[in-house]
Amino acid sequence: AQSVAQPEDQVNVAEGNPLTVKCTYSVSGNPYLFWYVQYPNRGLQFLLKYITGDNLVKGSYGFEAEFNKSQTSFHLKKPSALVSDSALYFCAVRPPRNSGNTPLVFGKGTRLSVIA
Amino acid sequence: DAGITQSPRYKITETGRQVTLMCHQTWSHSYMFWYRQDLGHGLRLIYYSAAADITDKGEVPDGYVVSRSKTENFPLTLESATRSQTSVYFCASSESNRLYTDTQYFGPGTRLTVL
Repeated sequence: AQSVAQPEDQVNVAEGNPLTVKCTYSVSGNPYLFWYVQYPNRGLQFLLKYITGDNLVKGSYGFEAEFNKSQTSFHLKKPSALVSDSALYFCAVRPPRNSGNTPLVFGKGTRLSVIA
Repeated sequence: DAGITQSPRYKITETGRQVTLMCHQTWSHSYMFWYRQDLGHGLRLIYYSAAADITDKGEVPDGYVVSRSKTENFPLTLESATRSQTSVYFCASSESNRLYTDTQYFGPGTRLTVL
């Protein structure tokens, strides 16, 4: 099973509407979960992470994500989308132990398009 | 504040040639990473380094060589480039030895085309 899945390749939302970018994970033990954003022709930028503590994590640019252990999800949300939020969003998770030599497994990315 | 830089930003080469991609960070971060980004695969780790002279293989190390003689530099070499190595390559760094919980900071990327 994939360690992390982003079920939507593309999400379209109108400016001013709330947005959600979905992420589910599959790891044993405590998951460490991250969201990164990639703007065109740029490297990835860190948005937020969940390590422990409050299930609702607030990050950069007004984004937040909720860790839901029972649903094994870590969806990224924003109450009011901006055109400038249009980018590629990656969810990442610490993989299960002994499952591969990387500290982070990235999802395939979700392209968010905010329409004015 | 330069942060993390990569050079060149774009490179076209031919099959069989040796290519070196450079990565430099000004933060004195302990960890450095090389990823490749391919459509449908997200980012995959090639190699990483915990400190100078310490390197480890990632998920997809075959065909690549790294070195880290200085903390701030982490070059990636394709010894004999193949078309399957056409990709966008990202270097990243993280501050401490909390490998699994630290934020990674990414460079702008190098787009490599192998003809």
